[in-house]
Amino acid sequence: KAGVTQTPRYLIKTRGQQVTLSCSPISGHRSVSWYQQTPGQGLQFLFEYFSETQRNKGNFPGRFSGRQFSNSRSEMNVSTLELGDSALYLCASSSRAGGNTIYFGEGSWLTVV
Amino acid sequence: AQSVTQPDIHITVSEGASLELRCNYSYGATPYLFWYVQSPGQGLQLLLKYFSGDTLVQGIKGFEAEFKRSQSSFNLRKPSVHWSDAAEYFCAVGLDQTGANNLFFGTGTRLTVIP
Repeated sequence: KAGVTQTPRYLIKTRGQQVTLSCSPISGHRSVSWYQQTPGQGLQFLFEYFSETQRNKGNFPGRFSGRQFSNSRSEMNVSTLELGDSALYLCASSSRAGGNTIYFGEGSWLTVV
Repeated sequence: AQSVTQPDIHITVSEGASLELRCNYSYGATPYLFWYVQSPGQGLQLLLKYFSGDTLVQGIKGFEAEFKRSQSSFNLRKPSVHWSDAAEYFCAVGLDQTGANNLFFGTGTRLTVIP
């Protein structure tokens, strides 16, 4: 079955703009989590959604938000983009909340100029 | 607080040689442990995981890892490295206190394979 699908794969935005990234989890998976990967900070947890509810949130400013739809697809939004938001954003899915295998997508490369 | 340490930033091995990548974690209870591999420009691929039971776990691509509670370690091993194994390897800890799926990652170990 298809893996975790993220769109778009690459995008360039200007400082101050906002961006929306999309993630389709593995079929049947209800948990979707998001991570940011940068050379300086490594892989950091952003937030997790399960059955349309945000269950956990990492230590990121309020400019970073997300949501999950009834079909488990998820979007994350970053408003008022800063240069430091340039990163690989990874989506991951799991079949249930907690204690289960987590599968990652290929990521969305965001460059802020 | 939970943390994951991968003490080796970069490792170079010859093709056919054995490999061991180190991972130490800090967490009060028994964590869920993962090893992921990332090729340049790609996402993370799961190599193997430990949840409970047998402390020696087998993964894909000939990798294995051993959970040692007394040393808080989960080292990744491969008996004979192939050139295609060159990539970055991440150890991660998953917590299940709240039924959460947030992983804490180490800083990664970049593996170079020389012919």
